[in-house]
Amino acid sequence: ELKVEQNPLFLSMQEGKNYTIYCNYSTTSDRLYWYRQDPGKSLESLFVLLSNGAVKQEGRLMASLDTKARLSTLHITAAVHDLSATYFCAVDSSGVAGGTSYGKLTFGQGTILTVHP
Amino acid sequence: DAMVIQNPRYQVTQFGKPVTLSCSQTLNHNVMYWYQQKSSQAPKLLFHYYDKDFNNEADTPDNFQSRRPNTSFCFLDIRSPGLGDAAMYLCATSIASRRAYEQYFGPGTRLTVT
Repeated sequence: ELKVEQNPLFLSMQEGKNYTIYCNYSTTSDRLYWYRQDPGKSLESLFVLLSNGAVKQEGRLMASLDTKARLSTLHITAAVHDLSATYFCAVDSSGVAGGTSYGKLTFGQGTILTVHP
Repeated sequence: DAMVIQNPRYQVTQFGKPVTLSCSQTLNHNVMYWYQQKSSQAPKLLFHYYDKDFNNEADTPDNFQSRRPNTSFCFLDIRSPGLGDAAMYLCATSIASRRAYEQYFGPGTRLTVT
């Protein structure tokens, strides 16, 4: 059974500081996603990482994937209050039948990020 | 704009009274998913359709059923809701391909069971 573990689960940051959220997973996969969720809202796609060594950046967030270590990171640079939310990583563990992926996601527990002035 | 729509956004049902949640999409994606997300937990996949092929997760209770009458619509039926079924239900879509792409999530339906 695939296990996806995030840490930390709770992160309280000061504005302007940097920090990294880690996502470890237990089985081979080269498809990993990061999502953001605001309270009471749905999931917003942040990054799609589809190969070993993939690095993507959007604003103050940067995500990377190391498939050999089964590790993805979400790095926050110079945090601002608007980044306060829950961040989930999700690993695609679907088999590839006939060359087609079905996109079966297993989510990490989520990291609740709070950015303080 | 192409999107994933869920109705209703909020649903209150009584214990044991069947309820249906709906999802529609204008993205023309061939895969549709239903997730259950309980308070302060991660989303959990219940089942998904690849075109008309239904794929149930092994631990999805029999109380949960789904229908996909056409590409655009997918329904989640809860036959006899219990208090433990109160949750946010998220519908998502994607394109099945050799290189998977991100799933597009609808706004969710928050189900309350009284």
